[in-house]
Amino acid sequence: QMQLQESGPGVVKPSETLSLICTVSGGSIWTSSYYWGWIRQPPGKGLEWIGNINFSGRTHDNPSLKSRVTISVDTSKNQFSLKLSSVTAADTAVYYCVRLAVTGTRYFDSWGQGTLVTVSS
Amino acid sequence: QSVLTQPPSASGTPGQRVTISCSGSSSNIGTNTVSWYQQIPGTAPKLLIYRNNQRPSGVPDRFSASKSGTSASLAISGLQSEDEADYYCATWHDSLNDWVFGGGTKLTVL
Repeated sequence: QMQLQESGPGVVKPSETLSLICTVSGGSIWTSSYYWGWIRQPPGKGLEWIGNINFSGRTHDNPSLKSRVTISVDTSKNQFSLKLSSVTAADTAVYYCVRLAVTGTRYFDSWGQGTLVTVSS
Repeated sequence: QSVLTQPPSASGTPGQRVTISCSGSSSNIGTNTVSWYQQIPGTAPKLLIYRNNQRPSGVPDRFSASKSGTSASLAISGLQSEDEADYYCATWHDSLNDWVFGGGTKLTVL
């Protein structure tokens, strides 16, 4: 069964870079049937798509995050990662790594448990 | 303000049928398929419906959904206490080049 697990620091200082890793188990990242991505949820609020990447490294990011996002993939480790630069308190959220099914129609069919990242000095 | 509009809350008693709406535009729901996600408090969202009305394996047939024009809706029949959760609709927005979500609907089972 597909499992995704986020890991990374729970606290990041303002203006620094948030870095998270998602480890995929139960299946290979090396597949054209799925993309891999990140979605976040500020405390008490709704969901916001951050971006996604495919196995060959092609990315697509949320335009509203103004190029602060870098998503990369390491197929040898079956992992993908997120870097969000110049963070502010507004970036405090639970960050989920997700699998995006892309065969036919598209939808997020697997989610990690989420990790809370707080931006605070 | 979310691009997709959902009612902030809905409620029903056990056994009842409730529906949750999701309103969009010709740039999102009007041209792309809709998926729905259930988020039980304190847990990650879970895929409930994909391709407008398809249920993944393991999702009870009490959950159904439809899409018409620029709107979609989720129906839950035979309401159970375990259905108490937040529900989100989502789709691709062509002109924003962005995935968009509804603001979420908090379902309370009275």
